[in-house]
Amino acid sequence: DAKTTQPTSMDCAEGRAANLPCNHSTISGNEYVYWYRQIHSQGPQYIIHGLKNNETNEMASLIITEDRKSSTLILPHATLRDTAVYYCIVRVDGSSNTGKLIFGQGTTLQVKP
Amino acid sequence: GAGVSQSPRYKVAKRGQDVALRCDPISGHVSLFWYQQALGQGPEFLTYFQNEAQLDKSGLPSDRFFAERPEGSVSTLKIQRTQQEDSAVYLCASSPVGARGYTFGSGTRLTVV
Repeated sequence: DAKTTQPTSMDCAEGRAANLPCNHSTISGNEYVYWYRQIHSQGPQYIIHGLKNNETNEMASLIITEDRKSSTLILPHATLRDTAVYYCIVRVDGSSNTGKLIFGQGTTLQVKP
Repeated sequence: GAGVSQSPRYKVAKRGQDVALRCDPISGHVSLFWYQQALGQGPEFLTYFQNEAQLDKSGLPSDRFFAERPEGSVSTLKIQRTQQEDSAVYLCASSPVGARGYTFGSGTRLTVV
């Protein structure tokens, strides 16, 4: 199973872009990169996913390097409500094709006024 | 309902007591997952259902843990003879078949005293 490496914590000023890096050097060709976040006392929330092309939705943008060994989640205008733990996950497809998610420690993003 | 509902929200059990945690997935969602999240850690996979079939239970930590989804909708996670190390937040997630992003509930916080 491909593993991910993220910084433990990051700070960002309110209104500025938050760029959260993730390394996944052992990712295989058919594995997707997923990002979830978890706000205190809530369950994880799906943000975005991608395979090899850059992706954008109403929440964030995902930039994946050409060799797919790393990616960056971008929150273009961070607000205080974006303070959360952000998880970068490579989706596992086992023999039963469960698509279970393997969470690491994540990055704690603190958005400051 | 609009989201994944879990009950109870909080549960305090005496060591050795049996507990049952309930998950109401989004209506029509085929896939259902249970995760365990210890304090300060990322969620860890416990088990996966596709409709009523339990396709993956590789994450269940011991035979004291049992999950069921008899009619392919509501699921119950049962823990027998609870131990202190079972104290954690138990998260349920659901998704339509083939979906990439999962919807998580807010979890049940279990404290074993």
